[in-house]
Amino acid sequence: GDSVTQMEGPVTLSEEAFLTINCTYTATGYPSLFWYVQYPGEGLQLLLKATKADDKGSNKGFEATYRKETTSFHLEKGSVQVSDSAVYFCALSENTGGFKTIFGAGTRLFVKA
Amino acid sequence: DVKVTQSSRYLVKRTGEKVFLECVQDMDHENMFWYRQDPGLGLRLIYFSYDVKMKEKGDIPEGYSVSREKKERFSLILESASTNQTSMYLCASTSRGQGSYNEQFFGPGTRLTVL
Repeated sequence: GDSVTQMEGPVTLSEEAFLTINCTYTATGYPSLFWYVQYPGEGLQLLLKATKADDKGSNKGFEATYRKETTSFHLEKGSVQVSDSAVYFCALSENTGGFKTIFGAGTRLFVKA
Repeated sequence: DVKVTQSSRYLVKRTGEKVFLECVQDMDHENMFWYRQDPGLGLRLIYFSYDVKMKEKGDIPEGYSVSREKKERFSLILESASTNQTSMYLCASTSRGQGSYNEQFFGPGTRLTVL
């Protein structure tokens, strides 16, 4: 079945450091890929998405590119801020049939001032 | 502003009690979901519903049931709460409309503790 694997955390960075959180997936069809973010005490919210191969999703300085050849969707940000401290979830959803979304285990990011 | 609301942020119950968790969305979404979130395990799907009075089991339905009598409301029921159901419960909804790509809209979560 479909699955999502993302790097284990926690990840601890200093402010203005470069961030990469790796995500790889397995899917039988042609999924859409997502990154969700969960700030402390809140539910998840969509950070960015890409719906087909080679698409780049971007939002709030974060980017991720849908790489079909490596089945990856790595999250990057050039300069993190303390306010980016949160848990990040990679996810996929098949575009044809079904309504389910498969989530990775989540990666906790701490950013120090 | 679109919204998914959950009836409680924090809940403490005793083993054996019947527990109701309510979720309401105001986006006229067809699909609604209940997940539980546990450290290191990510989100696991308990049940989902793609229409009023319709429900489908997710990956971990044992010990839970659901009810969807109105389009905007999806309830999760723990028939007899047990300590291993202590968790964060998240409700979400999605549109079936073209272009939605199953983007999920989440409520703030209910942290349930079963003693």
